[in-house]
Amino acid sequence: AQTVTQSQPEMSVQEAETVTLSCTYDTSESDYYLFWYKQPPSRQMILVIRQEAYKQQNATENRFSVNFQKAAKSFSLKISDSQLGDAAMYFCAYRRRGGSEKLVFGKGTKLTVNP
Amino acid sequence: DTAVSQTPKYLVTQMGNDKSIKCEQNLGHDTMYWYKQDSKKFLKIMFSYNNKELIINETVPNRFSPKSPDKAHLNLHINSLELGDSAVYFCASSQGGVPYEQYFGPGTRLTVT
Repeated sequence: AQTVTQSQPEMSVQEAETVTLSCTYDTSESDYYLFWYKQPPSRQMILVIRQEAYKQQNATENRFSVNFQKAAKSFSLKISDSQLGDAAMYFCAYRRRGGSEKLVFGKGTKLTVNP
Repeated sequence: DTAVSQTPKYLVTQMGNDKSIKCEQNLGHDTMYWYKQDSKKFLKIMFSYNNKELIINETVPNRFSPKSPDKAHLNLHINSLELGDSAVYFCASSQGGVPYEQYFGPGTRLTVT
């Protein structure tokens, strides 16, 4: 079974600084997708960024980028120029390739942004 | 327009009652899901339906019964509610094919007293 591990229950960062959230996963599949979701206090789950395992290039979305290391099964999220609105729970998630596959989530990292 | 909607957003009920949570998506997706987020924020799949057919049924008590009247709706009925059922329940949907991302509803916070 696939598992996702987020080893940092909590992280904090100063506004305008950069922070990296860690995620590792375990799978025997070669084709899959990885995601970072953000859950602010409103509890809405918001997709931040996704990575296709077959792509070597790391995904980037504005201030958010990932460091995808397939051999190491590592998928970290870097947030640059942190903003107060980035404060939230961040969940790393794995999904096998396939139309109806489930998301397997890590336990989340609570990010605090200090002004 | 709301892509994935759930009703109600909050539900407070007593042990032993039966309750339902409704979910609707207007994205034209063919797959819908129910996830449970426990008090420690851990999210886990419960069920998924593809074109009204049950695809995933994780280890969930049979007091939980999903129903999909059409591919835009997926409801969750819970019988004989227990204290441990207190959680946030999220509905999500996706469309077969890349990029496989799932769109989540706002969640329903269920409190059993």
